[in-house]
Formats: sequence, C-alpha cells, structure tokens
Amino acid sequence: GAGVSQSPRYKVAKRGQDVALRCDPISGHVSLFWYQQALGQGPEFLTYFQNEAQLDKSGLPSDRFFAERPEGSVSTLKIQRTQQEDSAVYLCASSLALILRAGELFFGEGSRLTVL
Amino acid sequence: ILNVEQSPQSLHVQEGDSTNFTCSFPSSNFYALHWYRWETAKSPEALFVMTLNGDEKKKGRISATLNTKEGYSYLYIKGSQPEDSATYLCAFTTNSGNTPLVFGKGTRLSVIA
Repeated sequence: GAGVSQSPRYKVAKRGQDVALRCDPISGHVSLFWYQQALGQGPEFLTYFQNEAQLDKSGLPSDRFFAERPEGSVSTLKIQRTQQEDSAVYLCASSLALILRAGELFFGEGSRLTVL
Repeated sequence: ILNVEQSPQSLHVQEGDSTNFTCSFPSSNFYALHWYRWETAKSPEALFVMTLNGDEKKKGRISATLNTKEGYSYLYIKGSQPEDSATYLCAFTTNSGNTPLVFGKGTRLSVIA
C-alpha cells in the first residue's frame, strides 16, 4: 500500500517475553521515527533513523529496547524481557524531511502491545 | 524539558455544535506547530502545519490559529459531525538543535448525534 504499514496490529505478551514490532515506511522516505503512546498520554519519542543510521535513541526507556533499520527501509523495534509498563501503542512514522523539525510525519496505525 | 499542554482532555458535544480546543507550548525557539487527528483504529493524520505567528489555516469545517509570542494554538470545528469524533493531537518543534516532534496528550472529542 501507499501508507506506513505496521505489524502486528495487536500483540499480547507474557511478562518476560521478547517481542518484535515491524514498520514498513512509505517508499522513499528517508526519516523514520518510533513513538510510544501509553494509556492517557501523548505519543512519546523513542528513536529516529535517517536511512539506516540511528541518529537519536535518546527516548528509548531502557536497554531492553532496541531498534534497527538495516537497509534503510523496514524497521524493527524489539523489546526484550517485556514488563507490564511496556504496555502501550507503538507508533511508527516516516517523513521525506531530513531535518526532524521540518516536514509532515506520516503515521502507521500502530502496534498495541499488552503485557500480562 | 519541552512540554505541550492540551485542553480540555476530553469533550462531548452535540451534532451541529461548534467547538474549540487549546494547545499551549513553550514560545522560545519555536519552529513549527502541527495538528493531527487520530480516529480510533486508524493512523494519526496531519491536519495542519503552522510556522508563522498569526497563521490561520482552514480545511473544510476545521480551522486553526497560531500565536507564537504567547505560545498557544486554537483548533476550531464548526458544526461538529459524528465523523469528527477523534483525538486531536498537537505537536511542536523548536529551532534549537535537531529535535523531533513533541506531542501533547491530545483532546478526545466525541460528537453525539
């Protein structure tokens, strides 16, 4: 499709399980972002890629969170040893803009993670 | 810490009513203010991007204004319809360094037919 695609849409994990969330951005978009939206909160920045380079990972809440974009297209957000506080909607967005502050973000529908 | 405040948190209006909500942001080092609409089970969709003080933008029944000196933006919906029910998010960026969009918590609008 023409938009940002995320999978799975819904994931239920047992505490301690590892999960992987996938994002397929719009073709040609060099910038890719991951945001986390916990219940009752706004989207919080996690990390940013420009092509395959991870330029900012300051928002990743712990070393259990890891993101990659090895070929500058599809990205995967991995969460190891999930905890209940990881339950959230994980949003992926892509942009044509090289500079973070410029340009519109195009979002996927999100992956809703529930950790039991 | 960059902080974006949106009010109200939630709002219920009758079909046909007009409504508005507020986004407050730090006025220093301002670069751009974005409004997004996020319908349930869909992806957030950009409504407006505004950069200049005094900017006014309009899309159909929805419009937005921007005051960068005092750090606020208003979103107006005229003659609300049930399909306007969504969470409206605002986000801003600064011209200080290479910072990503900082989002508010959103205003959840429910339009009752």
